[in-house]
Amino acid sequence: EPEVTQTPSHQVTQMGQEVILRCVPISNHLYFYWYRQILGQKVEFLVSFYNNEISEKSEIFDDQFSVERPDGSNFTLKIRSTKLEDSAMYFCASRDTYSGNTIYFGEGSWLTVV
Amino acid sequence: GESVGLHLPTLSVQEGDNSIINCAYSNSASDYFIWYKQESGKGPQFIIDIRSNMDKRQGQRVTVLLNKTVKHLSLQIAATQPGDSAVYFCAEGQGYGNKLVFGAGTILRVKS
Repeated sequence: EPEVTQTPSHQVTQMGQEVILRCVPISNHLYFYWYRQILGQKVEFLVSFYNNEISEKSEIFDDQFSVERPDGSNFTLKIRSTKLEDSAMYFCASRDTYSGNTIYFGEGSWLTVV
Repeated sequence: GESVGLHLPTLSVQEGDNSIINCAYSNSASDYFIWYKQESGKGPQFIIDIRSNMDKRQGQRVTVLLNKTVKHLSLQIAATQPGDSAVYFCAEGQGYGNKLVFGAGTILRVKS
């Protein structure tokens, strides 16, 4: 069964450092998303991406965050200068155009900022 | 400062019993609803979804009920198994391709 894959599974970084989280969405999916989940809390929307541009973003997704689809398969989330409160599980997700609204999630990248 | 996690409601059921997990959604304009299961340290796993033009949809061992009048969604799991133990989230969306807004989640514990 096709799945969304994410790397790394866990990253520890110093406050102020840049982090790039990588995702390979399901092949032939056209809508891509990043969500995050702070430990013990609910899943929060960060950004959606379609047709090579951001289609929607939340208040969380400030100037420190950016997304990119550098090639035909990868979708990345960059945090320019990490803060302690960026520590969370970051989920990539994707959806295709034809089979409804189901969004499929990856297993997540656990980011710890120290 | 220290972050405080949500105190999630917990449903404890005996193996083999049926489980009903409830969710109140907030946006009357939402037209798509979905249930996800999340096991510890893993990503949300799709269970079942329903559009607003339906009030019931059945899958394998699961049924989703939608009551738009009171903005309520429920997930019924038949013959609950230990492997069903997880956190269950409802999520709502609008339109096509738009974001999902997640609820707070319910912990399901299945006792053998």
